[in-house]
Amino acid sequence: AQTVTQSQPEMSVQEAETVTLSCTYDTSESDYYLFWYKQPPSRQMILVIRQEAYKQQNATENRFSVNFQKAAKSFSLKISDSQLGDAAMYFCAYKREARDMRFGAGTRLTVKP
Amino acid sequence: GAVVSQHPSRVICKSGTSVKIECRSLDFQATTMFWYRQFPKKSLMLMATSNEGSKATYEQGVEKDKFLINHASLTLSTLTVTSAHPEDSSFYICSAMGGSGANVLTFGAGSRLTVL
Repeated sequence: AQTVTQSQPEMSVQEAETVTLSCTYDTSESDYYLFWYKQPPSRQMILVIRQEAYKQQNATENRFSVNFQKAAKSFSLKISDSQLGDAAMYFCAYKREARDMRFGAGTRLTVKP
Repeated sequence: GAVVSQHPSRVICKSGTSVKIECRSLDFQATTMFWYRQFPKKSLMLMATSNEGSKATYEQGVEKDKFLINHASLTLSTLTVTSAHPEDSSFYICSAMGGSGANVLTFGAGSRLTVL
């Protein structure tokens, strides 16, 4: 079974600084998708960034970027120029084609002004 | 972008009654929807996969007779919590696949169920 591990229950960053959230996963598959979702206090799940396993290039979305290390099964999220609105729970997720999505335990990010 | 509407957002019911939660894809067709349950300060746990026109697939440990799922159309899936008990109180989230690109799930805003 595929598992997703987020080893940082809580992280804190100063506004305008950079923070990296860690995620590792376990799979025997070669084709899959990885995601980071954000869940603010409203509890609405919001897609932050996605990565296809067959792509070597790391995905980037504005201030958000990932470091995808397929051999190490690692998928970290870097948030640059952190903003107060970035404060939320962040979930790393794994998905195979046409299958369900599995989530890590989450990392609660606090942004200090 | 793709939108999934989930209703009701909050519901309080008495023990022993049934509650129905609706999940609609507003601007796209979703052959597959997923139902998750989230306990306070915990992650999302998959309950079942809902496929249009066929029976839902339940995760191990999820009682299919308690959590009835119906996916009667390409835009609507429903979760009915039957004979609800206080331990069923939780946050339930639905998601649909296909609205924001292949393999991206779009989530509803969730439904908080409180069983008295």
